[in-house]
Amino acid sequence: ETGVTQTPRHLVMGMTNKKSLKCEQHLGHNAMYWYKQSAKKPLELMFVYSLEERVENNSVPSRFSPECPNSSHLFLHLHTLQPEDSALYLCASSQVSGGGTGELFFGEGSRLTVL
Amino acid sequence: GENVEQHPSTLSVQEGDSAVIKCTYSDSASNYFPWYKQELGKRPQLIIDIRSNVGEKKDQRIAVTLNKTAKHFSLHITETQPEDSAVYFCAARESGTASKLTFGTGTRLQVTL
Repeated sequence: ETGVTQTPRHLVMGMTNKKSLKCEQHLGHNAMYWYKQSAKKPLELMFVYSLEERVENNSVPSRFSPECPNSSHLFLHLHTLQPEDSALYLCASSQVSGGGTGELFFGEGSRLTVL
Repeated sequence: GENVEQHPSTLSVQEGDSAVIKCTYSDSASNYFPWYKQELGKRPQLIIDIRSNVGEKKDQRIAVTLNKTAKHFSLHITETQPEDSAVYFCAARESGTASKLTFGTGTRLQVTL
């Protein structure tokens, strides 16, 4: 596998469920991101793990919880979500130092539907 | 924080015509401006970028211009082809935050035959 891979590609869950999205990057990058993509809205940065430091968007509800066990793996834990959380969740990675351009490499996304 | 506005939200051009998408940003210290293309059902991919020390950059049919004084930058696609149909996102990177990009709302470009 090369690039950035996300699983699952599609997820349907009830508001009381607990699920997790997984992302893995095979590019040797040192930063990973979660973005939310909703219709007619800009890509919204949710969380960044850069050089082992976590940066987050303060407007993201606590029902979204990220985990980054190492520089290659990133999770987004979901619990008690709301229907308005239905969206495409994109994982991305980049190299933010050591001569890297900072270009974001995206995964294919996880399409989440909350019933 | 940074705020990026993008126009138009939709753009329809005939094959062979040119397309121009414009973005403005708010942080005068932003120094990196990439453009991403997202085809239907696919991931966003970088197509071109420009840094604040350059006013224009070109790659075949695609060019980007940057006006630092006015804080706006534009994507120009010449001789458009059906495969250019996609959503295009501009972005700006905040100063001092090597890892954070702020995106515009996207432009859906439709190239008709």
